[in-house]
Amino acid sequence: EAQVTQNPRYLITVTGKKLTVTCSQNMNHEYMSWYRQDPGLGLRQIYYSMNVEVTDKGDVPEGYKVSRKEKRNFPLILESPSPNQTSLYFCASSLSKTGYNSPLHFGNGTRLTVT
Amino acid sequence: KNQVEQSPQSLIILEGKNCTLQCNYTVSPFSNLRWYKQDTGRGPVSLTIMTFSENTKSNGRYTATLDADTKQSSLHITASQLSDSASYICVVSLPSAGNNRKLIWGLGTSLAVNP
Repeated sequence: EAQVTQNPRYLITVTGKKLTVTCSQNMNHEYMSWYRQDPGLGLRQIYYSMNVEVTDKGDVPEGYKVSRKEKRNFPLILESPSPNQTSLYFCASSLSKTGYNSPLHFGNGTRLTVT
Repeated sequence: KNQVEQSPQSLIILEGKNCTLQCNYTVSPFSNLRWYKQDTGRGPVSLTIMTFSENTKSNGRYTATLDADTKQSSLHITASQLSDSASYICVVSLPSAGNNRKLIWGLGTSLAVNP
């Protein structure tokens, strides 16, 4: 089944404790991206990647890192989480960065709480 | 400023009834407009996409319309079912620049279908 898999689904951590949220897609998609979703703010892009070893900042990159060593994986790293990073996170992928026939495919989300 | 505004913010209807969700945008230039459905606890899933030359697009009981002159789109749901309970998000795409998809997301309309 074609899908984007994120882990974990739920995560509670404390301020300053490094964490990684994994994302993997099995559709051979070139484009991958991380979003956070907050009430009243909607979906905001954190980082994106057009291909292996090609990553760049989205609209809200502060406090986050990513890597793209393999096409299928795109982990999100929080080196020193803070309470304002408490949010619902989504990984998404698409066949290309543009295109009528290239919708974003989303994972099921990771709900992160930083205390 | 590029913005996407959706109305109503939330809506409650009875099973079997029809409803229409609205999306107004001030995005320019415009490439395409897509509607996503987001079930509670899940990532968004693409429903329809339209370019400026398309007025109507259907996907089963979902029909999206687009008026590029007034910069308005609507999503009409016919004969609603309990499974239609979800958030519906309108997103407008700008023409691609560089390696990123430039997307302007609405905040969504939360629809509850009651038996």
